[in-house]
Amino acid sequence: NFMLTQPHSVSESPGKTVTISCTRSSGSIASNYVQWYQQRPGSAPTTVIYEDNQRPSGVPDRFSGSIDSSSNSASLTISGLKTEDEADYYCQSYDSSNRGVFGGGTKLTVL
Amino acid sequence: QLQLQESGPGLVKPSETLSLTCTVSGGSISSSSYYWGWIRQPPGKGLEWIGSIYYSGSTYYNPSLKSRVTISVDTSKNQFSLKLSSVTAADTAVYYCARDIEWANWFDPWGQGTLVTVSS
Repeated sequence: NFMLTQPHSVSESPGKTVTISCTRSSGSIASNYVQWYQQRPGSAPTTVIYEDNQRPSGVPDRFSGSIDSSSNSASLTISGLKTEDEADYYCQSYDSSNRGVFGGGTKLTVL
Repeated sequence: QLQLQESGPGLVKPSETLSLTCTVSGGSISSSSYYWGWIRQPPGKGLEWIGSIYYSGSTYYNPSLKSRVTISVDTSKNQFSLKLSSVTAADTAVYYCARDIEWANWFDPWGQGTLVTVSS
């Protein structure tokens, strides 16, 4: 089994760019797709990135995803921050024995 | 538009079995390439995948919960269900059902979630 490690919290000002990392403890980050979910208080998670770097329809192109094999990590980047982006963000991946491994979540504050 | 809705008791006693059902509307649970999954979130904490099922009945379970979990599917009702046995206070959580997209292990969309409290 592997773990996905995210920073507990990040903060940035409106209009700026923020990047949230997600580091895989074992196995290659490139071996299995990474998804990113946004969760606002009291709501269910929704997808902002799937298959490492794909955006569902309706998600603004301010959201982008990438993977870095050298650091064995995935990243979610949000540019042009808006107050409405304030939420918890979770990365998720899998392996042959575990279909759903989630990171611990990152609280994004836009101040 | 595909929608999922969880239902079941909001309060379960310790040592008993938690039972929830997820009703799928706007699409068929028998669609190929899709599993159907359960994920939970304890209050104030992160997400934990519980397990997923294919319409044929094939299942995958989180190794940490496998001994207590049973997921089943009823294609005639377009529903799938979760049973978690021998619950303790640590099983108190919001339980979500979601479509589990097979080729990417991507959970989308999610139901609104239902809070299950384990307490005597």
